[in-house]
Amino acid sequence: DGGITQSPKYLFRKEGQNVTLSCEQNLNHDAMYWYRQDPGQGLRLIYYSQIVNDFQKGDIAEGYSVSREKKESFPLTVTSAQKNPTAFYLCASSKERTSRNEQYFGPGTRLTVT
Amino acid sequence: EDQVTQSPEALRLQEGESSSLNCSYTVSGLRGLFWYRQDPGKGPEFLFTLYSAGEEKEKERLKATLTKKESFLHITAPKPEDSATYLCAVTGFADSWGKLQFGAGTQVVVTP
Repeated sequence: DGGITQSPKYLFRKEGQNVTLSCEQNLNHDAMYWYRQDPGQGLRLIYYSQIVNDFQKGDIAEGYSVSREKKESFPLTVTSAQKNPTAFYLCASSKERTSRNEQYFGPGTRLTVT
Repeated sequence: EDQVTQSPEALRLQEGESSSLNCSYTVSGLRGLFWYRQDPGKGPEFLFTLYSAGEEKEKERLKATLTKKESFLHITAPKPEDSATYLCAVTGFADSWGKLQFGAGTQVVVTP
């Protein structure tokens, strides 16, 4: 089955530690995205990548970093510089410009930092 | 800057009681408006894309419509399994390709 996988489902970290969230897709999609979801707020875009080895900052990129070394993978690192890292993180993907940008989401990773 | 406002924030329905959710948007040249369904603790599930005013799309008990300023998601004769948060998002021609602006969502609870 084609889809997007995120791991782990739950992640706990101590303040001051960097943590990397995994996102893999086998949909052969060109573009991938990372969003953050907080209670009562809409999804906010952290980073996105349209092609391998290229990515752009979204609206809330501070304290986060990404890489796109393979088409299938787009890991997100939450650094110690992120002031409020506790949130639900969602990865998504979409086809390139031949489509109308329908994004498909993974199951999410809930990160708790104490 | 694109803006999306969804109303109401929450909606409680009896099974079979039809209703509508609203998504008001501000965007410079609409490229697309998207509806998603999200169950608690899960990722959003894609429902519909609408591209131009007057367009309508249906899927089971759900029907999405679009005007130049807003979109409605009509839920006809809902069942308890329609309980979820429904998210609306837009992208405009002025946006970088791939950027969606999401609303905060409408939480729908359908009771038997």
